[in-house]
Amino acid sequence: NAGVTQTPKFRILKIGQSMTLQCTQDMNHNYMYWYRQDPGMGLKLIYYSVGAGITDKGEVPNGYNVSRSTTEDFPLRLELAAPSQTSVYFCASSYWQGILNTGELFFGEGSRLTVL
Amino acid sequence: DQQVKQNSPSLSVQEGRISILNCDYTNSMFDYFLWYKKYPAEGPTFLISISSIKDKNEDGRFTVFLNKSAKHLSLHIVPSQPGDSAVYFCAARSNAGNMLTFGGGTRLMVKP
Repeated sequence: NAGVTQTPKFRILKIGQSMTLQCTQDMNHNYMYWYRQDPGMGLKLIYYSVGAGITDKGEVPNGYNVSRSTTEDFPLRLELAAPSQTSVYFCASSYWQGILNTGELFFGEGSRLTVL
Repeated sequence: DQQVKQNSPSLSVQEGRISILNCDYTNSMFDYFLWYKKYPAEGPTFLISISSIKDKNEDGRFTVFLNKSAKHLSLHIVPSQPGDSAVYFCAARSNAGNMLTFGGGTRLMVKP
């Protein structure tokens, strides 16, 4: 019963390096999301996807890219890492067909990224 | 500008007493509100929700109240237990799609 799985759990990057955070879900959910949580702050939406092949920007997309080639996978790419990208990243998924659904989001355990 | 605000960063309550966590929002287009609970080193987990057409939803020890005119919701936990100690996030969904806007969270500490 895996749910939403994120890798890696921890990573230290040097300024200017690139990396990809992996996210996969086994619940056949149509929606997937990437959020970041900074210390003492709430979760801010980076990118989301409403289905395979469709992605859109959230509140804080600068410095990130995503792709959704399959229903299950939604990787987040960081290009040219900066100290401002030091954060905890959460991937989430949900099944939503309209306002009659509760649309509850299921979250992964998070990936803690430090950029030095 | 924060559309969802939790003005109390922390709350300390004695075991057995009531915990009341508050949340304010500004966007009238929000149609659904959720509370998530988060333990350290874990992802947030869903706790309880309420539709904008209701004013109360109850699930065991947890009750959420919605006051639409005041754009305010609250989560009541009765009785509070030490295992309830966590960070609680209020979230709101726009009727334009299933995207959640989160508040900054309130850290609840329940003392034995």
